Amino acid sequence: DAKTTQPPSMDCAEGRAANLPCNHSTISGNEYVYWYRQIHSQGPQYIIHGLKNNETNEMASLIITEDRKSSTLILPHATLRDTAVYYCIVRVRLSGSARQLTFGSGTQLTVLP
Amino acid sequence: NAGVTQTPKFRILKIGQSMTLQCTQDMNHNYMYWYRQDPGMGLKLIYYSVGAGITDKGEVPNGYNVSRSTTEDFPLRLELAAPSQTSVYFCASSYSQGPEQYFGPGTRLTVT
Repeated sequence: DAKTTQPPSMDCAEGRAANLPCNHSTISGNEYVYWYRQIHSQGPQYIIHGLKNNETNEMASLIITEDRKSSTLILPHATLRDTAVYYCIVRVRLSGSARQLTFGSGTQLTVLP
Repeated sequence: NAGVTQTPKFRILKIGQSMTLQCTQDMNHNYMYWYRQDPGMGLKLIYYSVGAGITDKGEVPNGYNVSRSTTEDFPLRLELAAPSQTSVYFCASSYSQGPEQYFGPGTRLTVT
Protein backbone atom coordinates (compact mmCIF):
# COMPACT_ATOMS: atom_id res chain seq x y z
CA ASP A 1 0.00 0.00 0.00
CA ALA A 2 1.23 3.45 -0.84
CA LYS A 3 2.25 5.48 2.20
CA THR A 4 2.42 9.23 2.61
CA THR A 5 4.87 11.45 4.48
CA GLN A 6 3.99 14.93 5.71
CA PRO A 7 5.72 17.45 7.98
CA PRO A 8 4.19 17.34 11.46
CA SER A 9 3.48 21.06 11.67
CA MET A 10 3.52 24.33 9.73
CA ASP A 11 2.62 27.93 10.41
CA CYS A 12 1.15 30.42 7.97
CA ALA A 13 0.27 34.09 8.27
CA GLU A 14 -3.38 34.96 7.82
CA GLY A 15 -4.12 36.06 4.26
CA ARG A 16 -1.06 34.37 2.83
CA ALA A 17 -0.97 31.16 0.84
CA ALA A 18 -0.43 27.96 2.78
CA ASN A 19 1.53 25.30 0.91
CA LEU A 20 1.34 21.85 2.45
CA PRO A 21 3.68 19.21 0.99
CA CYS A 22 3.20 15.46 0.85
CA ASN A 23 5.48 12.67 -0.35
CA HIS A 24 3.91 9.51 -1.77
CA SER A 25 6.81 7.93 -3.61
CA THR A 26 5.27 4.42 -3.69
CA ILE A 27 1.96 5.47 -5.21
CA SER A 28 0.67 3.26 -8.02
CA GLY A 29 -0.23 4.61 -11.42
CA ASN A 30 -3.99 4.42 -10.89
CA GLU A 31 -4.14 5.62 -7.29
CA TYR A 32 -5.60 9.01 -6.52
CA VAL A 33 -4.23 11.39 -3.90
CA TYR A 34 -6.82 12.78 -1.50
CA TRP A 35 -6.63 15.61 0.98
CA TYR A 36 -8.83 15.89 4.04
CA ARG A 37 -8.65 18.16 7.02
CA GLN A 38 -9.79 17.82 10.61
CA ILE A 39 -10.64 20.90 12.60
CA HIS A 40 -10.14 20.31 16.30
CA SER A 41 -11.91 17.05 17.22
CA GLN A 42 -14.50 17.33 14.45
CA GLY A 43 -15.00 14.71 11.78
CA PRO A 44 -12.58 14.92 8.83
CA GLN A 45 -13.67 17.06 5.89
CA TYR A 46 -12.90 16.33 2.26
CA ILE A 47 -10.91 19.03 0.46
CA ILE A 48 -9.77 17.83 -2.95
CA HIS A 49 -8.37 14.87 -4.86
CA GLY A 50 -6.35 14.29 -8.02
CA LEU A 51 -4.62 11.68 -10.16
CA LYS A 52 -2.13 13.36 -12.50
CA ASN A 53 -3.28 16.83 -13.38
CA ASN A 54 -3.43 19.83 -11.12
CA GLU A 55 -6.85 20.38 -9.62
CA THR A 56 -8.62 23.40 -8.18
CA ASN A 57 -11.91 23.84 -6.38
CA GLU A 58 -13.46 26.47 -4.17
CA MET A 59 -11.39 25.39 -1.19
CA ALA A 60 -7.92 24.69 -2.51
CA SER A 61 -5.57 23.76 -5.32
CA LEU A 62 -3.67 20.50 -5.66
CA ILE A 63 -0.37 20.36 -7.49
CA ILE A 64 0.93 16.87 -8.33
CA THR A 65 4.47 16.43 -9.65
CA GLU A 66 4.92 14.86 -13.04
CA ASP A 67 6.40 11.67 -11.54
CA ARG A 68 3.48 11.60 -9.05
CA LYS A 69 5.82 11.01 -6.13
CA SER A 70 4.76 14.15 -4.31
CA SER A 71 2.02 16.74 -4.18
CA THR A 72 1.28 20.11 -2.61
CA LEU A 73 -2.01 21.37 -1.27
CA ILE A 74 -2.38 25.12 -1.61
CA LEU A 75 -4.81 27.20 0.40
CA PRO A 76 -4.57 30.48 -1.51
CA HIS A 77 -5.62 32.91 1.23
CA ALA A 78 -5.43 31.20 4.60
CA THR A 79 -7.80 32.32 7.34
CA LEU A 80 -7.85 31.54 11.04
CA ARG A 81 -10.62 29.02 10.36
CA ASP A 82 -8.19 27.00 8.23
CA THR A 83 -6.23 26.03 11.34
CA ALA A 84 -6.55 22.23 11.32
CA VAL A 85 -4.72 18.96 10.79
CA TYR A 86 -4.37 18.27 7.07
CA TYR A 87 -4.14 14.70 5.87
CA CYS A 88 -2.68 13.57 2.57
CA ILE A 89 -4.20 10.18 1.77
CA VAL A 90 -3.85 7.47 -0.80
CA ARG A 91 -6.99 5.37 -0.70
CA VAL A 92 -6.76 1.63 -0.35
CA ARG A 93 -9.25 -0.40 -2.33
CA LEU A 94 -11.62 -2.61 -0.35
CA SER A 95 -14.38 -4.60 -2.03
CA GLY A 96 -16.24 -3.30 -5.04
CA SER A 97 -15.81 0.46 -5.19
CA ALA A 98 -15.39 0.89 -1.44
CA ARG A 99 -12.20 2.63 -0.45
CA GLN A 100 -10.41 2.84 2.88
CA LEU A 101 -8.94 6.18 3.77
CA THR A 102 -5.53 5.44 5.24
CA PHE A 103 -4.80 8.33 7.54
CA GLY A 104 -1.27 9.10 8.68
CA SER A 105 -0.46 11.66 11.33
CA GLY A 106 -1.04 14.66 9.04
CA THR A 107 0.28 18.22 9.21
CA GLN A 108 -0.96 20.58 11.91
CA LEU A 109 -1.42 23.90 10.12
CA THR A 110 -1.65 26.91 12.38
CA VAL A 111 -2.75 30.16 10.76
CA LEU A 112 -1.39 33.10 12.71
CA PRO A 113 -3.13 36.48 12.90
CA ASN B 1 -30.14 17.16 5.10
CA ALA B 2 -28.66 16.36 8.50
CA GLY B 3 -25.83 14.40 6.86
CA VAL B 4 -24.22 11.83 9.13
CA THR B 5 -25.38 11.84 12.73
CA GLN B 6 -23.87 9.90 15.63
CA THR B 7 -25.11 9.21 19.13
CA PRO B 8 -24.07 9.50 21.88
CA LYS B 9 -21.50 12.31 21.76
CA PHE B 10 -19.75 11.12 24.89
CA ARG B 11 -19.83 7.93 26.93
CA ILE B 12 -17.92 6.43 29.83
CA LEU B 13 -17.98 2.65 30.15
CA LYS B 14 -16.64 0.35 32.79
CA ILE B 15 -14.43 -2.54 31.74
CA GLY B 16 -16.56 -5.45 30.59
CA GLN B 17 -19.66 -3.40 29.78
CA SER B 18 -21.20 -3.33 26.32
CA MET B 19 -22.74 -0.58 24.24
CA THR B 20 -23.89 0.34 20.76
CA LEU B 21 -22.75 3.44 18.94
CA GLN B 22 -25.42 4.69 16.58
CA CYS B 23 -24.81 6.12 13.11
CA THR B 24 -27.45 7.37 10.69
CA GLN B 25 -27.13 9.08 7.31
CA ASP B 26 -29.89 10.69 5.27
CA MET B 27 -28.04 11.01 1.95
CA ASN B 28 -29.01 7.57 0.61
CA HIS B 29 -25.36 6.52 0.47
CA ASN B 30 -24.61 2.89 -0.19
CA TYR B 31 -21.26 2.83 1.57
CA MET B 32 -20.77 3.35 5.28
CA TYR B 33 -17.66 3.12 7.45
CA TRP B 34 -16.59 3.08 11.07
CA TYR B 35 -13.22 4.53 12.04
CA ARG B 36 -11.51 5.04 15.36
CA GLN B 37 -9.02 7.73 16.21
CA ASP B 38 -6.65 7.40 19.13
CA PRO B 39 -5.10 10.55 20.64
CA GLY B 40 -2.63 12.25 18.28
CA MET B 41 -3.09 9.61 15.60
CA GLY B 42 -4.85 9.27 12.28
CA LEU B 43 -8.05 7.30 11.76
CA LYS B 44 -8.13 3.53 11.45
CA LEU B 45 -10.93 1.61 9.72
CA ILE B 46 -12.87 -0.81 11.94
CA TYR B 47 -15.69 -2.08 9.68
CA TYR B 48 -17.38 -1.00 6.51
CA SER B 49 -20.51 -1.80 4.54
CA VAL B 50 -21.22 -1.57 0.82
CA GLY B 51 -24.97 -1.89 1.22
CA ALA B 52 -27.77 -3.17 3.44
CA GLY B 53 -26.98 -6.67 4.62
CA ILE B 54 -23.32 -6.52 3.57
CA THR B 55 -20.52 -5.78 6.01
CA ASP B 56 -16.82 -6.52 6.12
CA LYS B 57 -13.83 -6.08 8.40
CA GLY B 58 -11.41 -3.20 8.16
CA GLU B 59 -7.98 -2.79 9.67
CA VAL B 60 -8.87 -3.09 13.40
CA PRO B 61 -12.12 -5.12 13.81
CA ASN B 62 -11.32 -7.07 16.98
CA GLY B 63 -13.71 -6.34 19.84
CA TYR B 64 -16.40 -4.85 17.60
CA ASN B 65 -19.42 -5.98 15.62
CA VAL B 66 -21.63 -4.25 13.10
CA SER B 67 -24.89 -4.79 11.28
CA ARG B 68 -26.54 -3.02 8.37
CA SER B 69 -30.24 -3.79 8.14
CA THR B 70 -31.16 -0.52 6.39
CA THR B 71 -29.41 1.90 4.04
CA GLU B 72 -29.59 4.66 6.65
CA ASP B 73 -28.25 2.98 9.79
CA PHE B 74 -24.91 1.38 10.60
CA PRO B 75 -24.57 0.69 14.36
CA LEU B 76 -21.28 -0.37 15.93
CA ARG B 77 -21.43 -2.77 18.86
CA LEU B 78 -18.75 -3.00 21.53
CA GLU B 79 -18.82 -6.20 23.53
CA LEU B 80 -16.81 -6.53 26.76
CA ALA B 81 -15.30 -3.06 26.66
CA ALA B 82 -11.57 -2.78 27.34
CA PRO B 83 -9.38 0.27 28.11
CA SER B 84 -7.74 -0.18 24.69
CA GLN B 85 -11.07 0.81 23.14
CA THR B 86 -10.87 4.28 24.62
CA SER B 87 -10.96 6.41 21.49
CA VAL B 88 -13.02 8.74 19.34
CA TYR B 89 -15.24 6.86 16.91
CA PHE B 90 -16.24 8.36 13.57
CA CYS B 91 -18.87 7.08 11.20
CA ALA B 92 -18.70 8.03 7.53
CA SER B 93 -20.70 7.42 4.37
CA SER B 94 -20.18 7.84 0.67
CA TYR B 95 -21.72 7.31 -2.74
CA SER B 96 -20.54 4.12 -4.33
CA GLN B 97 -18.53 5.93 -7.00
CA GLY B 98 -17.87 9.20 -5.27
CA PRO B 99 -14.47 10.41 -4.06
CA GLU B 100 -15.71 11.96 -0.86
CA GLN B 101 -16.52 10.35 2.46
CA TYR B 102 -18.83 12.37 4.70
CA PHE B 103 -18.02 12.11 8.38
CA GLY B 104 -20.18 12.41 11.45
CA PRO B 105 -19.17 14.49 14.49
CA GLY B 106 -17.80 11.52 16.41
CA THR B 107 -18.43 9.70 19.69
CA ARG B 108 -15.83 10.11 22.42
CA LEU B 109 -15.65 6.85 24.41
CA THR B 110 -13.71 6.28 27.60
CA VAL B 111 -13.36 2.82 29.14
CA THR B 112 -12.18 2.75 32.75
